[in-house]
Amino acid sequence: AQSVAQPEDQVNVAEGNPLTVKCTYSVSGNPYLFWYVQYPNRGLQFLLKYITGDNLVKGSYGFEAEFNKSQTSFHLKKPSALVSDSALYFCAVRDKGYSTLTFGKGTMLLVSP
Amino acid sequence: EADIYQTPRYLVIGTGKKITLECSQTMGHDKMYWYQQDPGMELHLIHYSYGVNSTEKGDLSSESTVSRIRTEHFPLTLESARPSHTSQYLCASSEYKGAQETQYFGPGTRLLVL
Repeated sequence: AQSVAQPEDQVNVAEGNPLTVKCTYSVSGNPYLFWYVQYPNRGLQFLLKYITGDNLVKGSYGFEAEFNKSQTSFHLKKPSALVSDSALYFCAVRDKGYSTLTFGKGTMLLVSP
Repeated sequence: EADIYQTPRYLVIGTGKKITLECSQTMGHDKMYWYQQDPGMELHLIHYSYGVNSTEKGDLSSESTVSRIRTEHFPLTLESARPSHTSQYLCASSEYKGAQETQYFGPGTRLLVL
């Protein structure tokens, strides 16, 4: 089975500060990991994915994520948050033998001015 | 943003009506998906398709049905809408590349059944 957990319902950060949105996963094989962002009344937008190789993945809008196999984590990070980064963030995982993605419950990121 | 379209964006309808939510993509993607999402909540996969004439049920039991007659088109139908169907419906597509494929989402249809 494949599963993903986002332990924080909400993350609050001040503009200009670094941000981290946490994600942990469980798979039986090698994971394929994804981050998506959802703005109000919109669909999900793809941010980045980890397939293999470098553990630090860079994506859109200055976001990056660090894959840590020993901790089964794939945390989303950004060095300096913007108010416009405020949105709902979803982590997703697919195990190699699966045909569909499993999404986390989402984490609301609120960046204050 | 990806070239995937959903209509209508918003729909208010009475109980018992038949509705079809449209989804189309111009990227030639083989796989398409329907998710149900309550506002600000997690996504639940309700249907997906590997290609023309292929449809599969997802993780969440749904009273809706889908069809895939053309590659670019994946409509979702509710034969008799009920208030419990009130939700947001998201369509997605991906180019089949095995486990590393990336799904791209449409803007969603927000459905309210009175």
